[in-house]
Amino acid sequence: NAGVTQTPKFRVLKTGQSMTLLCAQDMNHEYMYWYRQDPGMGLRLIHYSVGEGTTAKGEVPDGYNVSRLKKQNFLLGLESAAPSQTSVYFCASSSANRANVLTFGAGSRLTVL
Amino acid sequence: QQQVKQSPQSLIVQKGGIPIINCAYENTAFDYFPWYQQFPGKGPALLIAIRPDVSEKKEGRFTISFNKSAKQFSLHIMDSQPGDSATYFCAARWSGKLIFGQGTTLQVKP
Repeated sequence: NAGVTQTPKFRVLKTGQSMTLLCAQDMNHEYMYWYRQDPGMGLRLIHYSVGEGTTAKGEVPDGYNVSRLKKQNFLLGLESAAPSQTSVYFCASSSANRANVLTFGAGSRLTVL
Repeated sequence: QQQVKQSPQSLIVQKGGIPIINCAYENTAFDYFPWYQQFPGKGPALLIAIRPDVSEKKEGRFTISFNKSAKQFSLHIMDSQPGDSATYFCAARWSGKLIFGQGTTLQVKP
């Protein structure tokens, strides 16, 4: 069972470049989330989705966009990367009837120079 | 306030010791309090969770103590082992979303 798969695992960007992080889950989960993890800040919710075609803002949405065109995929986009977006990004998913239990991916480390 | 404040930031104990990690919150609308465990290079994984109508929950060597009036909850790890060395996050649920604490890096020395 793959669970939640994130690609790429590592990426280095220059300021102003754009990129997309891909999250794929094979558990037929309805809910999907994007978090960022920074030292001393814990995990902060960027955006989330409660179903295909729907997205909503989390705690720190500025500078990011998301799309959920297919139930199994949740994309996180950075249109114009900034050094403040250097972080480790985690995707997670949960089922609607066990929404409290999040399954996380292994993370994507992004460095913006 | 939608914050969850976690302490300490780091903790070192000897094997067999009982590390305690504390979390505090302000929002009385939080209705579910999980703890996640994260090993280096991995994503967090659910460890144990409690609802606010329960004062204590135990699963194996892990215990959550919950004090609703003080708006605090804590994780205790009994007979800690080097394999418990990891980062621990408390969290609280509000409006369907999990708000995480800052994390505690635990090292259990052999």
